[in-house]
Amino acid sequence: KAGVTQTPRYLIKTRGQQVTLSCSPISGHRSVSWYQQTPGQGLQFLFEYFSETQRNKGNFPGRFSGRQFSNSRSEMNVSTLELGDSALYLCASSLVILGGFGDEQFFGPGTRLTVL
Amino acid sequence: TQLLEQSPQFLSIQEGENLTVYCNSSSVFSSLQWYRQEPGEGPVLLVTVVTGGEVKKLKRLTFQFGDARKDSSLHITAAQPGDTGLYLCAGAGAGGTSYGKLTFGQGTILTVHP
Repeated sequence: KAGVTQTPRYLIKTRGQQVTLSCSPISGHRSVSWYQQTPGQGLQFLFEYFSETQRNKGNFPGRFSGRQFSNSRSEMNVSTLELGDSALYLCASSLVILGGFGDEQFFGPGTRLTVL
Repeated sequence: TQLLEQSPQFLSIQEGENLTVYCNSSSVFSSLQWYRQEPGEGPVLLVTVVTGGEVKKLKRLTFQFGDARKDSSLHITAAQPGDTGLYLCAGAGAGGTSYGKLTFGQGTILTVHP
């Protein structure tokens, strides 16, 4: 069974630009969560999508948005990039057996975003 | 706000030594997951513990979930250089604000010297 895939693996952007990252979950997984990982803050939850609906959102500004398609693939978008947005962006997929609480999450390799 | 405090942050040991990593919180979690992450890669799930007091073993790794489901520990016996990496604990809450959200500890960077 193929794992979670993320594209692209690396991105370099300049301040003010916007970026779209893509995530394909494990086949059959309907929940996709996004996280930002930085050396200073560790892994921080961005948002979660299930059946094309955002069910939960972390404490990030509105510049961070996402969506999920009918095939469970998900994208996240960051507009008006700032230097502090440089990070490893990770998505994780889940089967949602327990109604969304405590389900195991499986991570992709991440997208390394560098903002210059 | 749920927080997970993970300790120690850094651990440098010799091959063959034993070690324990701790994850503590004042909050109750519905489950707790342990991950290992290599540089430039995503976290890889090692184990999920769900029941208070649960103990799970994965070869030389032993995971324990506290009785009150607020804390967990990872114990590695006879560490090997291949165990080197970043170890992360992550708690899953319950309730609408917890959909799809894991709260992560800050991580433990383990280095095992040959």
